Amino acid sequence: RKEVEQDPGPFNVPEGATVAFNCTYSNSASQSFFWYRQDCRKEPKLLMSVYSSGNEDGRFTAQLNRASQYISLLIRDSKLSDSATYLCVVNIYGQNFVFGPGTRLSVLP
Amino acid sequence: DAGVTQSPTHLIKTRGQQVTLRCSPKSGHDTVSWYQQALGQGPQFIFQYYEEEERQRGNFPDRFSGHQFPNYSSELNVNALLLGDSALYLCASSLEQLNGYTFGSGTRLTVV
Repeated sequence: RKEVEQDPGPFNVPEGATVAFNCTYSNSASQSFFWYRQDCRKEPKLLMSVYSSGNEDGRFTAQLNRASQYISLLIRDSKLSDSATYLCVVNIYGQNFVFGPGTRLSVLP
Repeated sequence: DAGVTQSPTHLIKTRGQQVTLRCSPKSGHDTVSWYQQALGQGPQFIFQYYEEEERQRGNFPDRFSGHQFPNYSSELNVNALLLGDSALYLCASSLEQLNGYTFGSGTRLTVV
């Protein structure tokens, strides 16, 4: 089993839609969690950290369920500019960041 | 405030050759991690440097080696290049891992 797994994608959604990405991780000792966004042929960029209580940043909401070892990212009112690959990342403090394979999103006009 | 800078941006090498990639971390960051990203996949961890020592290593052969200098900049060296080494090589820097990594724009290596 891979350390971090994500929805295989791609997701093709119309503008304005709500889209949810799911991620599971295998190491129960994982302590910090992130969502990164990667545009085509560019480097990953930090979208948001994921906190135990859940957190929101504008149209983006991240949730963490430690018991189920599950992380989610919800994008509301999707924009064309949201088209990218979304990478789930988990970390045990003092160790490396482990990336999921990513889920590609295309927002269509 | 300069972010993470990597050089070169693109590189073409022949099988069997050696390559050195360079990274300058974001100002104030002391930890540098290197990742390999093949097309359509997530980044795979190569190794991490802190205080000029390799602190962790991923599942990569000894052909992959690195170094960190006193100014926190880092190099990734790959010997005896294989076609399968063709990928985007990403450098990431951090100060406290809880705050996430900052990535450079990467070096795209093509081995022919």
